[in-house]
Amino acid sequence: NAGVTQTPKFRVLKTGQSMTLLCAQDMNHEYMYWYRQDPGMGLRLIHYSVGEGTTAKGEVPDGYNVSRLKKQNFLLGLESAAPSQTSVYFCASRRYGLTGGVSGGFFGPGTRLTVL
Amino acid sequence: RKEVEQDPGPFNVPEGATVAFNCTYSNSASQSFFWYRQDCRKEPKLLMSVYSSGNEDGRFTAQLNRASQYISLLIRDSKLSDSATYLCVVNPAGNQFYFGTGTSLTVIP
Repeated sequence: NAGVTQTPKFRVLKTGQSMTLLCAQDMNHEYMYWYRQDPGMGLRLIHYSVGEGTTAKGEVPDGYNVSRLKKQNFLLGLESAAPSQTSVYFCASRRYGLTGGVSGGFFGPGTRLTVL
Repeated sequence: RKEVEQDPGPFNVPEGATVAFNCTYSNSASQSFFWYRQDCRKEPKLLMSVYSSGNEDGRFTAQLNRASQYISLLIRDSKLSDSATYLCVVNPAGNQFYFGTGTSLTVIP
């Protein structure tokens, strides 16, 4: 099993450009998450999905859109990139279950994005 | 007020030492708690869940204090390989998880 994979690993954009980050998981997990991690800020939730065809906003959703057309894939889009979106983006997935004993998720290796 | 707060450290300890980290959370209704480990420029990885009765995994012990709203992680007999950033994670309810900013640990030979 590959677990959670993310594409691309690195990207440099110019202000105003658009891009899509792809997250794929092969664990048949229902839940998927997109986080960003910035120095001193910790991991912050951008959007998440509880199943195919559903998405919801997290803590910092502005400037991002997401789609979950297939259970195994969760896409994060930046329509018009801004320097404030320079960050490391992590995708995570986890199985459905009652809260007890369910982890916060398995993470992908991250995408390092720089917006100039 | 932040959902989760951690002392960022850094903690620099000699090999073999015992070190403890605390993490406080603001939502008293929080139901699930975890410790993650993150190595430099890598993704976070689940270290252990934190159960109400406390739990142990080898040299690692996690405890939950609901009355004071904090969780702790104790590492005994520290190894060089324990050097990393430790993140506490809280699930207040529903599907969102809140991560602390992390506590940096360096184990010195």
